[in-house]
Amino acid sequence: DAKTTQPNSMESNEEEPVHLPCNHSTISGTDYIHWYRQLPSQGPEYVIHGLTSNVNNRMASLAIAEDRKSSTLILHRATLRDAAVYYCILRDIGGSYIPTFGRGTSLIVHP
Amino acid sequence: KAGVTQTPRYLIKTRGQQVTLSCSPISGHRSVSWYQQTPGQGLQFLFEYFSETQRNKGNFPGRFSGRQFSNSRSEMNVSTLELGDSALYLCASSLERVRSYNEQFFGPGTRLTVL
Repeated sequence: DAKTTQPNSMESNEEEPVHLPCNHSTISGTDYIHWYRQLPSQGPEYVIHGLTSNVNNRMASLAIAEDRKSSTLILHRATLRDAAVYYCILRDIGGSYIPTFGRGTSLIVHP
Repeated sequence: KAGVTQTPRYLIKTRGQQVTLSCSPISGHRSVSWYQQTPGQGLQFLFEYFSETQRNKGNFPGRFSGRQFSNSRSEMNVSTLELGDSALYLCASSLERVRSYNEQFFGPGTRLTVL
C-alpha cells in the first residue's frame, strides 16, 4: 500500500474550523482515501472517504488535491468531542488488501 | 441497529496461557477483521474472515488464529501468550469484504494484559 504522512499533532480552538492534512505522494490511480478517527478509549470510527472529487458528509468534508498527492480533512466547527487521533489511510482496489493505519494526527481541541 | 460488540472488555492473563476473544458484528455484516493496537506499533491488521473463511492475513505469528461462525460471529485465539501480546484487540465488521470503497465499523476492543 502507498504510504501516508500526517503531522503528529494539531491544536484547535472550539468552534473554529480545523484542516487536517495528509500527504500521499505515491498514491495510485485506484487508491481511495479514507479517514478514520479514534476517540480516547474507543475503537476507530469511520469519518469519510473519496477517490477524486471532494466529498461532504454530516461529520466532515474531504478536499482532495487535483494531483491526488495530498488531501485535507475539514472539520467545519471543532467541538471538544472531536478531540481524537485522525488516521488518513489509502485503500487499494486490489484483492489481497492489507489495511494499513499510520500513526495518525492527534487533534487537541481547546475550550 | 446495535454496533459491534466485543467480549470480554478487559482480560488479564499470564505468560504461556492462551486466550480467546469474541466479536459479534453488526447484524447483516458478513466480514469481520481483527486488529492489534499497541503504543509502539500502532494499529496493525491481523486477519479478515468472510463467509467462515480467512480471506486475508497480516504479518503475525501462527500463535494468532481465528475463526468465523455461520452467524458471522468471530473468535480470535492467541496461544502461548507473551508479554508483548499485551494490547488492545479490535474487531471491525463490514457488509462485504474489506475493499477500497467500503467502510469498517469497529468495536470498543478487548484490553489484554499479559503478566
